[in-house]
Amino acid sequence: DIQMTQSPSSLSAFVGDRVTITCRASQSTSRSLNWYQHKPGTAPKLLIYGVSSLQSGVPSRFSGSGSGTDFTLTISSLQPEDFATYYCQQSYTIPWTFGQGTKVEIK
Amino acid sequence: EVQLVESGGDLVKPGGSLRLSCAASGFIFSNAWMTWVRQAPGKGLEWVGRVKSKDDGGTTDYAAPVKGRFSISRHDSKKILYLQMNSLKTEDTAVYYCATVRYQLLSRYFDLWGRGTLVTVSS
Repeated sequence: DIQMTQSPSSLSAFVGDRVTITCRASQSTSRSLNWYQHKPGTAPKLLIYGVSSLQSGVPSRFSGSGSGTDFTLTISSLQPEDFATYYCQQSYTIPWTFGQGTKVEIK
Repeated sequence: EVQLVESGGDLVKPGGSLRLSCAASGFIFSNAWMTWVRQAPGKGLEWVGRVKSKDDGGTTDYAAPVKGRFSISRHDSKKILYLQMNSLKTEDTAVYYCATVRYQLLSRYFDLWGRGTLVTVSS
């Protein structure tokens, strides 16, 4: 199984800050790396698919990058509605696996 | 409206069974691969399993913790996805989400999600 490890597990930031979340896979996932946002009591939301493609309707302050085993989600200017938990997910091999999540909180 | 709505969550005793449903609307359900994902209390998202479209073989795959106990099926004419859960354990307590699986740019991803249904396994 491919293990996905995110860092940090949580972070505190101000509105307007640039935020970077990293995701490391235990083996290459090629381009099969996606990012989701999840707020309590709601459906998870797809942000980025295929490493760097922005899902329709997602603000352009979100971006993804990386290759092989190391990937990054960046929020260029954190907004109040961005406080949530973020997950990376690989779909390169079954079982599809998620990272443990990164909780972004208000500072 | 394009949406997925899960139902069937309940309180069940360890060793019991439960069937969850996911009703789809607003898209061609028969063409879609579908998946179940769960979130235990205080934990992260965990992939449960996936069913391909019948055109792609209709096959299923499961995560190790549920393999042999859970079964995913689909009724395309009713636009409903099912998750049959048998031999339930306390660690299966979670909110269960269904989602559509799309494929683009060499990646499969979950682009439409339901709001989830809560399964509690407790004596």
